[in-house]
Amino acid sequence: GIQVEQSPPDLILQEGANSTLRCNFSDSVNNLQWFHQNPWGQLINLFYIPSGTKQNGRLSATTVATERYSLLYISSSQTTDSGVYFCAVDLEYGNKLVFGAGTILRVKS
Amino acid sequence: DAGITQSPRYKITETGRQVTLMCHQTWSHSYMFWYRQDLGHGLRLIYYSAAADITDKGEVPDGYVVSRSKTENFPLTLESATRSQTSVYFCASSEPSTQYFGPGTRLLVL
Repeated sequence: GIQVEQSPPDLILQEGANSTLRCNFSDSVNNLQWFHQNPWGQLINLFYIPSGTKQNGRLSATTVATERYSLLYISSSQTTDSGVYFCAVDLEYGNKLVFGAGTILRVKS
Repeated sequence: DAGITQSPRYKITETGRQVTLMCHQTWSHSYMFWYRQDLGHGLRLIYYSAAADITDKGEVPDGYVVSRSKTENFPLTLESATRSQTSVYFCASSEPSTQYFGPGTRLLVL
């Protein structure tokens, strides 16, 4: 099956710093989404981005489908950005997602 | 309230018992999903449904049963719970791109 690899596995930032999270996938995908799991366990959808670039406030994402990777940028990080960031992909129409292992982000004040 | 809800939020049961986890969404999304989240394995798809009365297996379906008689409900049943089914269970829905998750159910099987 498709492999989804996220890096780095762990990241510690000082408040106000910028960061880039990476997601590599092993096959062409129909669907790619980024999620944030907060410290209380809630999973929040950040982006649906099978290709191209999107921005939402301090967060932006870029997917280069032909090269099989996606990047999530977090600018001016805040303590509330802490949690786990997941990339998930789907090969087929139907949204059956395969998740990466996640990047654990800790933002220190 | 609009959105996707799960019940119960916490459940403790014993091996061999039947347990049903409930999932309800108010968006009328066609697609619904059940995932489990375990340390070391991340999130894995158990079952999904493309519409009422249409369900199919995901990556880890063994030991689970689902039904979808109404669009808004997608219950997950553990027919005879085992300790390996101790996990956090997430329900999700979509139409069909962006996927939205419920708050999760923490299940402990003793």
